[in-house]
Amino acid sequence: DAGVTQSPTHLIKTRGQHVTLRCSPISGHKSVSWYQQVLGQGPQFIFQYYEKEERGRGNFPDRFSARQFPNYSSELNVNALLLGDSALYLCASSLGAGTENEKLFFGSGTQLSVL
Amino acid sequence: GEDVEQSLFLSVREGDSSVINCTYTDSSSTYLYWYKQEPGAGLQLLTYIFSNMDMKQDQRLTVLLNKKDKHLSLRIADTQTGDSAIYFCAEKRGGSYIPTFGRGTSLIVHP
Repeated sequence: DAGVTQSPTHLIKTRGQHVTLRCSPISGHKSVSWYQQVLGQGPQFIFQYYEKEERGRGNFPDRFSARQFPNYSSELNVNALLLGDSALYLCASSLGAGTENEKLFFGSGTQLSVL
Repeated sequence: GEDVEQSLFLSVREGDSSVINCTYTDSSSTYLYWYKQEPGAGLQLLTYIFSNMDMKQDQRLTVLLNKKDKHLSLRIADTQTGDSAIYFCAEKRGGSYIPTFGRGTSLIVHP
């Protein structure tokens, strides 16, 4: 079975541009979470979606938005890119059943560089 | 300070045991996790422990939890070069779906 897939794997943008990152969860998983990992730091939570509804939002500006589609895939959008948005963006999927011990399965990430 | 703290680096010799430590601040944490990240890859869940447990063993991995001191450790027995990676501690608080991650400990295994 395919794991969590993310595209593209690498991306270079310039300040002020916008970017769309994509994620396909593991088959049968209904929840998708997005994390930002800056070099040398742990992953920081951005969003979680379940059944196309936002279930959680981290401390990120409104330039960051996301959505989940009927097939449970997801997009993360970032507008007006800043140099500080350069990071590895990780997508994680989970069953989404709402149990306390809901295990996250991560993709390999999209490495975004903002010049 | 950080909600989840880890030391940044650990260097061990191949065949020795590695112990990676983590402290967290929230006493309502219900589950605590250890993830492994290899270069250019996402995070892989290694093991987890429920907060009412003191210890969990899974092959070469042993997790110890001291809830009173809010201290979590991961012991890797017979460490191999393939264990070289960054190890992240994460906690999940009661009522939350979202784990909070530490900054990661870079484990270097040398021959």
